[in-house]
Amino acid sequence: EDQVTQSPEALRLQEGESSSLNCSYTVSGLRGLFWYRQDPGKGPEFLFTLYSAGEEKEKERLKATLTKKESFLHITAPKPEDSATYLCAVRGNQFYFGTGTSLTVIP
Amino acid sequence: DTAVSQTPKYLVTQMGNDKSIKCEQNLGHDTMYWYKQDSKKFLKIMFSYNNKELIINETVPNRFSPKSPDKAHLNLHINSLELGDSAVYFCASSSTETQYFGPGTRLLVL
Repeated sequence: EDQVTQSPEALRLQEGESSSLNCSYTVSGLRGLFWYRQDPGKGPEFLFTLYSAGEEKEKERLKATLTKKESFLHITAPKPEDSATYLCAVRGNQFYFGTGTSLTVIP
Repeated sequence: DTAVSQTPKYLVTQMGNDKSIKCEQNLGHDTMYWYKQDSKKFLKIMFSYNNKELIINETVPNRFSPKSPDKAHLNLHINSLELGDSAVYFCASSSTETQYFGPGTRLLVL
């Protein structure tokens, strides 16, 4: 059965303290792995798409990587405005989302 | 110029009523989707639709039906609303595999 598991559920970081979020997945025929950011009361905002193991994408303080079983979202020197829920999704026959990691960055 | 828009933003209604949520995208995308996000923030796909194919998640009750008057619109009709239908409903669209989401419609069934 296709599924996505994200860890940790919640993460509190001091401003400037780098860390990584994990997304483990099992899917038949991966057609893409996606990272989204969701702020309270808003829709998910697209961050990255990764298609194959070894691929990496970067945007400002965020870097996403992909292996055959998991993806990491690395956050370098986070700022308070990076606080949000980060969602991972995979595309197999359908789209499957994880339950997200709620990130809080403390000034 | 919002890319994916939904109306209404909030919807409060009584059990047993029928309601609709509208979605419009101005991205020129071929495929549109409806998702339900529960209280634990879990996003679950309900439908995906392009002008050729409607794919329904088999777990979605048949009280829910998507209607697409044209390529830029996908509305969600819900009949005989139940308490468990309370959630946030998101519309999304895509041209490739990457989806772009609307702001959500918060449905509360009393």
